[in-house]
Amino acid sequence: TQLLEQSPQFLSIQEGENLTVYCNSSSVFSSLQWYRQEPGEGPVLLVTVVTGGEVKKLKRLTFQFGDARKDSSLHITAAQPGDTGLYLCAETTSGTYKYIFGTGTRLKVLA
Amino acid sequence: GAVVSQHPSWVICKSGTSVKIECRSLDFQATTMFWYRQFPKQSLMLMATSNEGSKATYEQGVEKDKFLINHASLTLSTLTVTSAHPEDSSFYICSAPRLTHTDTQYFGPGTRLTVL
Repeated sequence: TQLLEQSPQFLSIQEGENLTVYCNSSSVFSSLQWYRQEPGEGPVLLVTVVTGGEVKKLKRLTFQFGDARKDSSLHITAAQPGDTGLYLCAETTSGTYKYIFGTGTRLKVLA
Repeated sequence: GAVVSQHPSWVICKSGTSVKIECRSLDFQATTMFWYRQFPKQSLMLMATSNEGSKATYEQGVEKDKFLINHASLTLSTLTVTSAHPEDSSFYICSAPRLTHTDTQYFGPGTRLTVL
């Protein structure tokens, strides 16, 4: 069974600071998604990365897919309180839409 | 706007009763839907795959007789927690893939179940 480990588990930072969240797998990803979830709501898709070495940007968020497609990172520049939430990476089992989620990183940005 | 809805958004029930949670795709058909469970401060864990017109497939460790899944139509899947106990209290989330050129999967807003 593929395991998706995220680090750190928890992160509390001041507004304006930068941070990086990591997602690592025991095997190769076919594709990887990053989600953000707020309390009491379902996860919302941020980005999908498919190609090894791929870098995608979404405003202050930068997503990177490792060359070997076994790891990914999410970097947030100048974090804002609105970035607070649970960040989840997820991998889709090849040929299905069945998602395996990472262990999650809970981010709190203090004003 | 939301493309996958869940009902109810929260429910409180007594131990031993059964609770039904609905998941609807609002403007597309979904032959497959997925049910996840999320305990406080934890990630989402896949419970089962709901298949329209056939039996659901359950992940290892999930009791199929306790979590009954019925994919009644191409836009509706239901999860029934039978004989609920306090340890079943959790946040239940469904998802449905929208099979267009983008093949995007949409998640419902979740249902908070509290069993007293």
